[in-house]
Amino acid sequence: QKEVEQDPGPLSVPEGAIVSLNCTYSNSAFQYFMWYRQYSRKGPELLMYTYSSGNKEDGRFTAQVDKSSKYISLFIRDSQPSDSATYLCAMSAYNDYKLSFGAGTTVTVRA
Amino acid sequence: ETGVTQSPTHLIKTRGQQVTLRCSSQSGHNTVSWYQQALGQGPQFIFQYYREEENGRGNFPPRFSGLQFPNYSSELNVNALELDDSALYLCASSFGKIEGSPYEQYFGPGTRLTVT
Repeated sequence: QKEVEQDPGPLSVPEGAIVSLNCTYSNSAFQYFMWYRQYSRKGPELLMYTYSSGNKEDGRFTAQVDKSSKYISLFIRDSQPSDSATYLCAMSAYNDYKLSFGAGTTVTVRA
Repeated sequence: ETGVTQSPTHLIKTRGQQVTLRCSSQSGHNTVSWYQQALGQGPQFIFQYYREEENGRGNFPPRFSGLQFPNYSSELNVNALELDDSALYLCASSFGKIEGSPYEQYFGPGTRLTVT
């Protein structure tokens, strides 16, 4: 079993829809949770960074962490064609130096 | 502010050869991490350098080695290349070694290595 599980999709939604992405994990030591966006043939770009359980909002993006269920989510409101990319979840334990990534979910927003 | 840069962009090598990949960290950052991303997979941690010293290593064999220079740029060296080494190699830079926090890591565009 992988440490971080993420449904690879692909996910296709119409412009303006809400995109819902999620990851589950098995390592209860994870405390820091991140979402990265990766366009084709580019490096990952940091979107959201959260610590422990709760919600964090940044513009059209909302990140949720539920440590009791070992489940994290990213919601994208009013999705745009420019949001079409692969979204990677990543996480890390306290005092750890490495990020553990999910496999990524490919999202297409149709105009 | 200059972002993370990597060179070369693409590279084709033959099995058994050696390769060196380079990374310049973002201005003000003193920590560099290297990741391997196979097609359709998430990045896998190779190792990290903090102030020119290795600060941790993932599950990669010793033929993967690295260096960090006084200006905080870094190299990844891979010896005895295997077909499975074909991947996107990503460098990420960050600032400092904050107690507890993995600190935000910013990625470069990557080097795509093909081993034939």
